[in-house]
Amino acid sequence: QLQLQESGPGLVKPSETLSLTCTVSGDSIRSTRYYWGWIRQPPGKGLEWIETIYYSGSTYYNPSLKSRVTISIDMSKNQFSLRLSSVTAADTAVYYCVTSTFSNFDAFDVWGQGTVVTVSP
Amino acid sequence: QSALTQPASVSGSPGQSITISCTGTSSDIGDYNYVSWYQQHPGKAPKLMIYDVTNRPSGVSNRFSGSKSGNTASLTISGLQPEDEADYYCSSYTSSITLVFGGGTKLTVL
Repeated sequence: QLQLQESGPGLVKPSETLSLTCTVSGDSIRSTRYYWGWIRQPPGKGLEWIETIYYSGSTYYNPSLKSRVTISIDMSKNQFSLRLSSVTAADTAVYYCVTSTFSNFDAFDVWGQGTVVTVSP
Repeated sequence: QSALTQPASVSGSPGQSITISCTGTSSDIGDYNYVSWYQQHPGKAPKLMIYDVTNRPSGVSNRFSGSKSGNTASLTISGLQPEDEADYYCSSYTSSITLVFGGGTKLTVL
């Protein structure tokens, strides 16, 4: 059974870089079946798609965040990562790593439990 | 990219049916059959309820159904149950090879 688990610091200072890692278990991140992605949810607000990566290295970004985000895959560790630079309080959110077992770019049926990231001095 | 438009709230009594709309544009919902719906209970990760406009993942009740007409997608829940009370989000693939979500709809079961 495919499972995802986010990890990373829960507190980041303004202007610094937020870095999160998602560990994949139950299948290989090299699989051609999956797109891997990140979604976030600010407190009391809706879902926002951040970015998606395919095993081949193809990446896709939310235009509003594109200048600040990077997504990468570490096949040796079966992990993929998010880096968001120059953070502000508006980046405070629950961050989820996600994937689809339907081989879809969207339709995320597997979610991590979510990790809370607070941007504060 | 602009968020898809959903009503902020809907309500219904147990046993009734409700429909949540999700309006986009010809660059997303109108041009692709890649609309998904998610259910989110407080403090929990979202759960996929519908994908590719009409498909239900294994394990999702057949009380949940999806449809699309033009630039608007809809989620219908029939035979409302108390546990259906949650937030619901739609999403769509776009012509820019991105994803866009709706603002979310709070469903209250009276």
